[in-house]
Amino acid sequence: GAGVSQSPSNKVTEKGKDVELRCDPISGHTALYWYRQSLGQGLEFLIYFQGNSAPDKSGLPSDRFSAERTGGSVSTLTIQRTQQEDSAVYLCASSPEAGTGREKLFFGSGTQLSVL
Amino acid sequence: DAKTTQPNSMESNEEEPVHLPCNHSTISGTDYIHWYRQLPSQGPEYVIHGLTSNVNNRMASLAIAEDRKSSTLILHRATLRDAAVYYCILKEYGGSQGNLIFGKGTKLSVKP
Repeated sequence: GAGVSQSPSNKVTEKGKDVELRCDPISGHTALYWYRQSLGQGLEFLIYFQGNSAPDKSGLPSDRFSAERTGGSVSTLTIQRTQQEDSAVYLCASSPEAGTGREKLFFGSGTQLSVL
Repeated sequence: DAKTTQPNSMESNEEEPVHLPCNHSTISGTDYIHWYRQLPSQGPEYVIHGLTSNVNNRMASLAIAEDRKSSTLILHRATLRDAAVYYCILKEYGGSQGNLIFGKGTKLSVKP
């Protein structure tokens, strides 16, 4: 079946511009996660959505970052006034359950964001 | 979630077994042990998870110490495609933090 889909796969933007990154989770998955990974670094948690609960935004690095999840499915991560340090691979994941400790995350291939 | 400690890197020969260790001395009774791997230029991929008993699946085996303070991911016959960064992660049952916290992992190199 279809996995987690992210678009675009690559995005080049100029410093100061806004960007939107899209994530289509696996159908029926209630939880959705955004991470980012800078070159050669580990994964940094950004935000987590679970069902109709308020999202966990504790990982967002600044108020330039925001995300929404419409209809419990597609999610958009928005970065306003991009900076060069925002350059990274942005990874989205979904899981069919949350809070059990056993949940498996299914990751997309990511969006490579380059801020010039 | 409790922290894990893994070696930065390991090497293996193709077609030989690989044992990837993970220490989690502060694990709590409700923490599940998860392993993910990340191949070059890809998102992480789930490998296996367990609580107390050893686990086997088509990808690997997970051996959990009796006191649960350590675990070992076993790849029975390494292939070149197993070259990746392997992450050992603890996830609490019913924990308030929903996300998985990824550390630096172990970079596995497989030599032909």
